[in-house]
Amino acid sequence: DQQVKQNSPSLSVQEGRISILNCDYTNSMFDYFLWYKKYPAEGPTFLISISSIKDKNEDGRFTVFLNKSAKHLSLHIVPSQPGDSAVYFCAASAQGGSEKLVFGKGTKLTVNP
Amino acid sequence: DTAVSQTPKYLVTQMGNDKSIKCEQNLGHDTMYWYKQDSKKFLKIMFSYNNKELIINETVPNRFSPKSPDKAHLNLHINSLELGDSAVYFCASSLSGGLRETQYFGPGTRLLVL
Repeated sequence: DQQVKQNSPSLSVQEGRISILNCDYTNSMFDYFLWYKKYPAEGPTFLISISSIKDKNEDGRFTVFLNKSAKHLSLHIVPSQPGDSAVYFCAASAQGGSEKLVFGKGTKLTVNP
Repeated sequence: DTAVSQTPKYLVTQMGNDKSIKCEQNLGHDTMYWYKQDSKKFLKIMFSYNNKELIINETVPNRFSPKSPDKAHLNLHINSLELGDSAVYFCASSLSGGLRETQYFGPGTRLLVL
C-alpha cells in the first residue's frame, strides 16, 4: 500500500527553466514532509522539508509547496541546473505515528544544458 | 571525511549463503537505521536502533538480524540468502531519532544473490 506516491518516474527540463516534482500522499496523519536528493552510487541527501502548519517553505532555488486538502506537495527548482540531475524522493512522517519515514519511489530529474 | 560509511559497497553471493554488511557513523548520532531499496525503487525502513536499543523492527524475515555493538555502528547480518534479498541496502543515522531530524545516509551496499 503506497502511502506516498510519486507518479512521474522521470522528468526532463532545460537548464534555466523550472522543474516541478510532484508527490501525493494518502495518510491524513502525515504532518511532516521531506525531499531527499540522490545521485547515482550515493545515498540520499536531505534537501528541504515542510511542516503541515505551513503551505510553503523556500531555500534558495528550492521551494516546497504543501496542499493539505489535496494531500499533495510539490518541489520547485528555479532555475534548474545540470547539477540538479538526480533522483528526488518525497518522504513523510506522522508525529505520534509509527516512528518512521515513508518514502515514495522517486522521480528522476534530468536537466539538459 | 565520510559521515556514514558502509562496507562492502558491492556484494555478489550465492543463494543460501550468510553475509554481513557493516555500517559506521562518525557524526556522534544516537540513532541508526537500515533501509532496503528493492527493484521497484521503494526505500523502506527495516530497523532502527537508538543508542544500541532496537526501536523499529518492520516486517522483515528473521533471517535478517541487526547488531549494534555501540551507537556508532549498526551491522546487518543476513542468513540463508534468497534471490529476493537482492537490493540496495542503505544505512542512515540521525541525531536522536526524531522524525523531524535529518537522516544522513551511507552510499549503499548493492547486494546481488545468484
